[in-house]
Amino acid sequence: GQNIDQPTEMTATEGAIVQINCTYQTSGFNGLFWYQQHAGEAPTFLSYNVLDGLEEKGRFSSFLSRSKGYSYLLLKELQMKDSASYLCAVGGFKTIFGAGTRLFVKA
Amino acid sequence: DVKVTQSSRYLVKRTGEKVFLECVQDMDHENMFWYRQDPGLGLRLIYFSYDVKMKEKGDIPEGYSVSREKKERFSLILESASTNQTSMYLCASSLGVGNQPQHFGDGTRLSIL
Repeated sequence: GQNIDQPTEMTATEGAIVQINCTYQTSGFNGLFWYQQHAGEAPTFLSYNVLDGLEEKGRFSSFLSRSKGYSYLLLKELQMKDSASYLCAVGGFKTIFGAGTRLFVKA
Repeated sequence: DVKVTQSSRYLVKRTGEKVFLECVQDMDHENMFWYRQDPGLGLRLIYFSYDVKMKEKGDIPEGYSVSREKKERFSLILESASTNQTSMYLCASSLGVGNQPQHFGDGTRLSIL
């Protein structure tokens, strides 16, 4: 079967670092995406990994290990506006989305 | 910037009605998608299309159909709406299949009474 697992909720403090994990088992793999979705809004693209390793983009970084079926999204210097859901998705003929991790950033 | 526009943000319909949800993208993308999003279940793919007049079933196509007569427009049809189709519906488009990010519309919150 095809499955993507990520934690349901996480809480972190403003200014801190948080890591959101994602594990996947899928029949196809064209890359691993992370999206951000604020409440009541559309998901927006954050990052894409197709090779193993770390991709850094400002305060956000994403890591991929294909052999382990594992990815994480690292958010540094957390801000209140980072409170949102973060969706992990595996690209293929049909892209499969995880259920999302709701991140709460507290002052 | 890619713009994906869904015709309605909120829609209320009655059980048994035929419902049309429209989606238009302005970036000449080949691929378009319809998802529904429910709490705890994430985004589930209903149908997608990789070219005009082409369609592929997603994971939950039952009770839905789609139409893609023009490249920029992808319509989702609920043939006979039921209460279990109350959900948030999201349309998306992408340049490639599986290796390009999807660009989403703002969503239609559909309530079936």
